[in-house]
Amino acid sequence: DIQMTQSPSSLSASVGDRVTIICRASQSISNYLNWYQQKPGKAPKLLIYTTSILQSEVPLRFSGSGSGTGFTLTISSLQPEDFATYYCQQSYSTPRTFGQGTKLEIK
Amino acid sequence: EVQLVESGGGLVQPGESLRLSCAASGFTFSSYWMHWVRQAPGKGLVWVSRINTDGSSTTYADSVKGRFTISRDNANNSLYLQMNNLRAEDTAVYYCAREYSSSSTRVFDFWGQGALVTVSS
Repeated sequence: DIQMTQSPSSLSASVGDRVTIICRASQSISNYLNWYQQKPGKAPKLLIYTTSILQSEVPLRFSGSGSGTGFTLTISSLQPEDFATYYCQQSYSTPRTFGQGTKLEIK
Repeated sequence: EVQLVESGGGLVQPGESLRLSCAASGFTFSSYWMHWVRQAPGKGLVWVSRINTDGSSTTYADSVKGRFTISRDNANNSLYLQMNNLRAEDTAVYYCAREYSSSSTRVFDFWGQGALVTVSS
């Protein structure tokens, strides 16, 4: 199975900050990397798929990049509604493994 | 509008069984692979199982293999997860998710709201 590792596990930031979350795969997954946002008590919501494609209606302050084994999610200017937990997921092979999550908290 | 609605969760004792359902609407259900993903309280997302479009191929996480069975009824736009011999560590919110797939993309683009399964004596 492909292991996905996110860093950091938690992050404190302020509104307006630029933040980057890193996701690493245990083997190459080409560009089969997706990002989800989850708020407490809610289902995950798709943010970015295939490394860098924004899902419909996702704000342009979100961006993704990378290939192979290293990927990043960047939020260019944090907004209050962005404080949530973010998960990366590989869809290169089954099982479709997730990273452990990065909890983004208000500083 | 795409909708996935889970049902069937509840409180059961260790060793008992439970069947989750996921009712799909707003899309051609028979054209999509479907998955179950679970989340234990305060923990991260864990993939559980997947089924192909006609139900002829299924895959399971090692932690549930031999105890859980995924199935689908394309005529009734429904996905199921039969969970037998439940353990305390199966306690989680269970989500069904649709997988959109193309030549260069595979992604869980829609998720249900989740069904809570609690295994406790």
